[in-house]
Amino acid sequence: SQTIHQWPATLVQPVGSPLSLECTVEGTSNPNLYWYRQAAGRGLQLLFYSVGIGQISSEVPQNLSASRPQDRQFILSSKKLLLSDSGFYLCAWTVGGGLHEAFFGQGTRLTVV
Amino acid sequence: AQSVTQPDIHITVSEGASLELRCNYSYGATPYLFWYVQSPGQGLQLLLKYFSGDTLVQGIKGFEAEFKRSQSSFNLRKPSVHWSDAAEYFCAVGAGGGADGLTFGKGTHLIIQP
Repeated sequence: SQTIHQWPATLVQPVGSPLSLECTVEGTSNPNLYWYRQAAGRGLQLLFYSVGIGQISSEVPQNLSASRPQDRQFILSSKKLLLSDSGFYLCAWTVGGGLHEAFFGQGTRLTVV
Repeated sequence: AQSVTQPDIHITVSEGASLELRCNYSYGATPYLFWYVQSPGQGLQLLLKYFSGDTLVQGIKGFEAEFKRSQSSFNLRKPSVHWSDAAEYFCAVGAGGGADGLTFGKGTHLIIQP
């Protein structure tokens, strides 16, 4: 069966520090991968998605970037965190090709101080 | 572009009572619709989905939802709620054939009274 791992679960980082959140999927090949951010009362905002290795689509301009170095690995990064980057970050995957339901990781609570 | 509206930010229901959470979507073609549930500090779990066919779909944990094209709605229902149903519920819509993710509503926080 397929599983998705996301880490760390919680992270407290100072303003101006770098960020790296990692997400890996097991049990499937060629998934579509997604990074969402969830802010209180604002639902989920799609940040990035990827349909293949090295292919990244950005939905909103921001202080973050994403990379997909391997088929089942998706990384969210920042060179210098801002206070406004605080939030709950969720990685998700879907079966590649067409629309299918998304499966989510357990999320990372990022607090920038 | 598609959009989702969940009109109720908070809903309080007594344990054992029935539940209906509202969801309205905006999309030009036949939408793919989803309901997810999120417990505090956790990821999202899929409750049910509608792609085509029977407009009344059954999901996990005793939930069901009905797709009404004329009303652009996909309301979630449960005949009798349990204290463990307290959570955040998200409705989402997706465009067929697209890889660009789902569009989520802002969520409804469900509170269960004993």
